[in-house]
Amino acid sequence: QKEVEQDPGPLSVPEGAIVSLNCTYSNSAFQYFMWYRQYSRKGPELLMYTYSSGNKEDGRFTAQVDKSSKYISLFIRDSQPSDSATYLCALLSGNQFYFGTGTSLTVIP
Amino acid sequence: DVKVTQSSRYLVKRTGEKVFLECVQDMDHENMFWYRQDPGLGLRLIYFSYDVKMKEKGDIPEGYSVSREKKERFSLILESASTNQTSMYLCASSSTGGTEAFFGQGTRLTVV
Repeated sequence: QKEVEQDPGPLSVPEGAIVSLNCTYSNSAFQYFMWYRQYSRKGPELLMYTYSSGNKEDGRFTAQVDKSSKYISLFIRDSQPSDSATYLCALLSGNQFYFGTGTSLTVIP
Repeated sequence: DVKVTQSSRYLVKRTGEKVFLECVQDMDHENMFWYRQDPGLGLRLIYFSYDVKMKEKGDIPEGYSVSREKKERFSLILESASTNQTSMYLCASSSTGGTEAFFGQGTRLTVV
């Protein structure tokens, strides 16, 4: 079983829609939970990170962690065409990062 | 501005060639990583290094080796390139105790 499971999509939504991206994980020892955004032909960049359970909001983006269910989510409100990218969840244990496979998102104007 | 720089954006090599992919970071990070990224498989860890001259195998080390002679530089070596090593290769670095991996732009390697 992989450490992190992520629905690869692809996901296509109209501009202005609310987007929900999700990952599940297996190891309850993970403490840091991250979302990376990767534009086409670029390396991933950190979008948000959270520590332990709860919500964290940054503008139109909200990261949510439910440690009891081993489930993490990223919500994008009022999605824009510039949000079109691949989104990867990532978990950190020690100095080792564990990445989901990524969800490809397209926001249609 | 923090930076991880990979030596090439695109490479085309022939089967059997020895290939070197170079990565340099300017953040004085202890940890450096090499991943390959393939559609549907996501990022898979090839090798990582926690210190100069230290290396650890990741999930898919077969056919690869690495070198870290200086803290800022981490090289990935394909000893004898094969077509199944055609992929996007991503280098990353992080600080010990840090919560962010910084990635380079990637090298798209095609082996023909």
